[in-house]
Amino acid sequence: DVKVTQSSRYLVKRTGEKVFLECVQDMDHENMFWYRQDPGLGLRLIYFSYDVKMKEKGDIPEGYSVSREKKERFSLILESASTNQTSMYLCASYRTDNYGYTFGSGTRLTVV
Amino acid sequence: QKEVEQNSGPLSVPEGAIASLNCTYSDRVSQSFFWYRQYSGKSPELIMSIYSNGDKEDGRFTAQLNKASQYVSLLIRDSQPSDSATYLCAVVRRSNDYKLSFGAGTTVTVRA
Repeated sequence: DVKVTQSSRYLVKRTGEKVFLECVQDMDHENMFWYRQDPGLGLRLIYFSYDVKMKEKGDIPEGYSVSREKKERFSLILESASTNQTSMYLCASYRTDNYGYTFGSGTRLTVV
Repeated sequence: QKEVEQNSGPLSVPEGAIASLNCTYSDRVSQSFFWYRQYSGKSPELIMSIYSNGDKEDGRFTAQLNKASQYVSLLIRDSQPSDSATYLCAVVRRSNDYKLSFGAGTTVTVRA
């Protein structure tokens, strides 16, 4: 089975901190995604990547950046954390000839 | 108009009954459709995918797609308490595009 691993299940950070969320997948998937999930809003796409060193903005990229230096790793960076970035963050990967995403277990981030 | 809309729920059904979940999408060229199940505090997991008009059955789950009406549904037959979860409808926005748009989800509770 494909495994998508997010480095932390729970994080508490202070306003203004730079925050790194790490995601690693073990099945050589080309496509990786970062979503955030908030009650009543569903999953919203922040950034995605189709290949190493490639990144594209999703629907809500403001306040975030990403890095993909290796195919298996896709990092989400909160440049200066704010309280409105308190959320569940979900990483997913997807192989071009396969069906559906595989999600990591999620990181619940609280910014205080 | 939201890209993907689901009946808001929550939906409560007795054990053994059929749970019916509905989803509409706005982009007429959408090609691929998915249903994810998400237990409380967990990440989404893929339970069904459908690409052609008609019905697709997998165990107690049946997905139905009507592209002319831009409508996809999920039926859960013989509902069990273990089916209690939030069900997310997801749509690939365009051909050759691997970004998923998600509905806000419908929470199903199966009463024993």
